[in-house]
Amino acid sequence: LAKTTQPISMDSYEGQEVNITCSHNNIATNDYITWYQQFPSQGPRFIIQGYKTKVTNEVASLFIPADRKSSTLSLPRVSLSDTAVYYCLVGDPMDTGRRALTFGSGTRLQVQP
Amino acid sequence: DAGVTQSPTHLIKTRGQQVTLRCSPKSGHDTVSWYQQALGQGPQFIFQYYEEEERQRGNFPDRFSGHQFPNYSSELNVNALLLGDSALYLCASSGAGTGHSYEQYFGPGTRLTVT
Repeated sequence: LAKTTQPISMDSYEGQEVNITCSHNNIATNDYITWYQQFPSQGPRFIIQGYKTKVTNEVASLFIPADRKSSTLSLPRVSLSDTAVYYCLVGDPMDTGRRALTFGSGTRLQVQP
Repeated sequence: DAGVTQSPTHLIKTRGQQVTLRCSPKSGHDTVSWYQQALGQGPQFIFQYYEEEERQRGNFPDRFSGHQFPNYSSELNVNALLLGDSALYLCASSGAGTGHSYEQYFGPGTRLTVT
């Protein structure tokens, strides 16, 4: 499984755009990049998934450069409720033998008023 | 539509005891995975059940066992509890429709404290 590296923590203020970068130098051809969000004492929640270029949904955008060795989760105009831990995961979801999610330590985002 | 539900919410056990945690998957989902999350760490995969069989297992000892029932609900059993088993135990479900997706739906977890 491709190993991921992301910052341990980040601070931001309400209304700002937050970009969290994840490094995955050994990503395989069939691997997708997936981000999860976790609030204290809750289970993780799927945010977004992508393979290349840019993916956008109602919550976030995911930017993936051509070499796919890194990716950036972008949260527009964060609010206090975006304070959470964000996990970057890399893997091949079509490989039924490797459906397990492999979480790292994640990035703790603290949004200040 | 109920999401993933887990019971109990909290549990306190003594070293050496056995514990059973329960999970009901999201409606329409047939695959259940269990994760252990220690304080300050990311969730660690324990095992996954599909069609009432263990399909994949993480690096956990045999003290951790599970079961999936015909209605897709699942149980996680831990025998001979150790202090280090204290953690948040998360259940996640997914279904055939996820296809090209790592989207799993997590329950709120069961907080297990071993004293």
